[in-house]
Amino acid sequence: QKEVEQNSGPLSVPEGAIASLNCTYSDRVSQSFFWYRQYSGKSPELIMSIYSNGDKEDGRFTAQLNKASQYVSLLIRDSQPSDSATYLCAVAGYSTLTFGKGTMLLVSP
Amino acid sequence: KAGVTQTPRYLIKTRGQQVTLSCSPISGHRSVSWYQQTPGQGLQFLFEYFSETQRNKGNFPGRFSGRQFSNSRSEMNVSTLELGDSALYLCASSPAGHTGSSEAFFGQGTRLTVV
Repeated sequence: QKEVEQNSGPLSVPEGAIASLNCTYSDRVSQSFFWYRQYSGKSPELIMSIYSNGDKEDGRFTAQLNKASQYVSLLIRDSQPSDSATYLCAVAGYSTLTFGKGTMLLVSP
Repeated sequence: KAGVTQTPRYLIKTRGQQVTLSCSPISGHRSVSWYQQTPGQGLQFLFEYFSETQRNKGNFPGRFSGRQFSNSRSEMNVSTLELGDSALYLCASSPAGHTGSSEAFFGQGTRLTVV
């Protein structure tokens, strides 16, 4: 059974700080990893994808992947109150995504 | 480019009834996946269709079924509804080829309440 683990939070950070969200996965052969943001009452929105070891940056977001440690992370720089949401880590398998249960991020003004 | 469209947005059904949900993927996307989201279990995979063929199925009872049409639109059906089927049902669209590893985009979901 493929598993994706995330700390449920909430992770509380002040406005302007760096938020660090972490995810571990069990399937060693996984090759594709995604971060989704989900606001309360809304559907998940894709914010980052990463396929290779190392860092991938997109604006204020940086995804980090370490396949040897089976670890994916998302850094949000200069956090804003509008970043307050649940962040879902997803790992691709054959024609499916396995999701973690998400980490709730709260950014206080 | 239009996003993923799910209809209806909200449904209230009675135990024992059946329900059909619809999903229109992003134009050009041939893969449609369905997920159930509940507060306790999170997002759970139901099934995935590609070019009208079910390629993968999650661990749900046979009351949950789906299909995909030649225009890539998909429907899922739940028969003999139970209270525990109350959830947000999400459809995801992807251009995914044989590996299913490309990015998936979600519709707004259908909120099903079974009473």
